[in-house]
Amino acid sequence: NAGVTQTPKFQVLKTGQSMTLQCAQDMNHEYMSWYRQDPGMGLRLIHYSVGAGITDQGEVPNGYNVSRSTTEDFPLRLLSAAPSQTSVYFCASSYGGANEKLFFGSGTQLSVL
Amino acid sequence: SQQGEEDPQALSIQEGENATMNCSYKTSINNLQWYRQNSGRGLVHLILIRSNEREKHSGRLRVTLDTSKKSSSLLITASRAADTASYFCATEYSGAGSYQLTFGKGTKLSVIP
Repeated sequence: NAGVTQTPKFQVLKTGQSMTLQCAQDMNHEYMSWYRQDPGMGLRLIHYSVGAGITDQGEVPNGYNVSRSTTEDFPLRLLSAAPSQTSVYFCASSYGGANEKLFFGSGTQLSVL
Repeated sequence: SQQGEEDPQALSIQEGENATMNCSYKTSINNLQWYRQNSGRGLVHLILIRSNEREKHSGRLRVTLDTSKKSSSLLITASRAADTASYFCATEYSGAGSYQLTFGKGTKLSVIP
């Protein structure tokens, strides 16, 4: 099993550009989530989804959009990239939600110049 | 705001010694989880302890939970160089915060061979 797959691993953007970070899982997990990790800040929840067609905001949703059209995929869109969005982004999934263990992808390192 | 706070922020021990990390949180929780992150990698789940449990073991890991003090501890016995990593606690707090797993800032553990 591939688990949770994130692409790309590295990305450099210019301010104002848009892009989509991809996340796919092959474990039939209902719950998927996006976190950003900044030095000294731990992980902060951006958006999450409890199933196809259902998404909700986390702690730091501004500047990001998500959709969940299938169980497998949960893309994160940056609408107009800003230097403050320079971070490492992690996608994670679980079978039942935040009350079960999360499986993490290997991360996307994003730099916005 | 982040729910859990780990203590200490950094810990350096000799191989073979025990390592203890603590996590404090602010509001009632459904469960508390511990994760490990090796440098540059995604997080790996270690242990989940539910609010009605007081202690759990997994191999060389022992986790305790004291809901009256809103705190948890992670003990790694007989540490190895391979245990060098950052360790995070994560909480799902009850009520409006359900479905959101909130991470602390982590404890950076260095095990010296």
